[in-house]
Amino acid sequence: ETGVTQTPRHLVMGMTNKKSLKCEQHLGHNAMYWYKQSAKKPLELMFVYNFKEQTENNSVPSRFSPECPNSSHLFLHLHTLQPEDSALYLCASSQDPGFYEQYFGPGTRLTVT
Amino acid sequence: DAKTTQPPSMDCAEGRAANLPCNHSTISGNEYVYWYRQIHSQGPQYIIHGLKNNETNEMASLIITEDRKSSTLILPHATLRDTAVYYCIVRVADGAQKLVFGQGTRLTINP
Repeated sequence: ETGVTQTPRHLVMGMTNKKSLKCEQHLGHNAMYWYKQSAKKPLELMFVYNFKEQTENNSVPSRFSPECPNSSHLFLHLHTLQPEDSALYLCASSQDPGFYEQYFGPGTRLTVT
Repeated sequence: DAKTTQPPSMDCAEGRAANLPCNHSTISGNEYVYWYRQIHSQGPQYIIHGLKNNETNEMASLIITEDRKSSTLILPHATLRDTAVYYCIVRVADGAQKLVFGQGTRLTINP
């Protein structure tokens, strides 16, 4: 257990569906992150939040919409996804941006049909 | 951030030391070397980091060459649970937020 939880762990959705991924950290951290890990590809940073404010969007398509209502919770809203968006979506947190250690959740395995 | 080069895969016998190399020949003076690992079906886990000096913690040791162009992560007594993909990352530590993961080294510990 890393102190970062993600739900659901597995999700199958059609291209016309709308779904949300949830991340919660119990570590008192101020920075939260979304990463995408596709098969055979390295982890890619998607978004960074610091004190609830988005500080980085790594050229992510608008069909991915993040939300950070407070420093402990992070959501990733999904709509009209493509099959190539199937991947493992990982949430992470750190004490503050730039801190050397990021704590990762177990990820949500997303399949878009 | 500087680019790193790691062997795609390595094998090690259980109980032996696993030595994972990383080349970072273009590293800048203010860039740290970080190591993370990712066990199958889990998120990455921080292992250790260093700037110039060798570092040791309860998980591993990090040996950085004097010219800082390469480093080695050492798992002193590897167990089957150490089977994972190990990532070497270099980045500045002054607020730069990106951890840029490469392909890493897939380490397999054999019984």
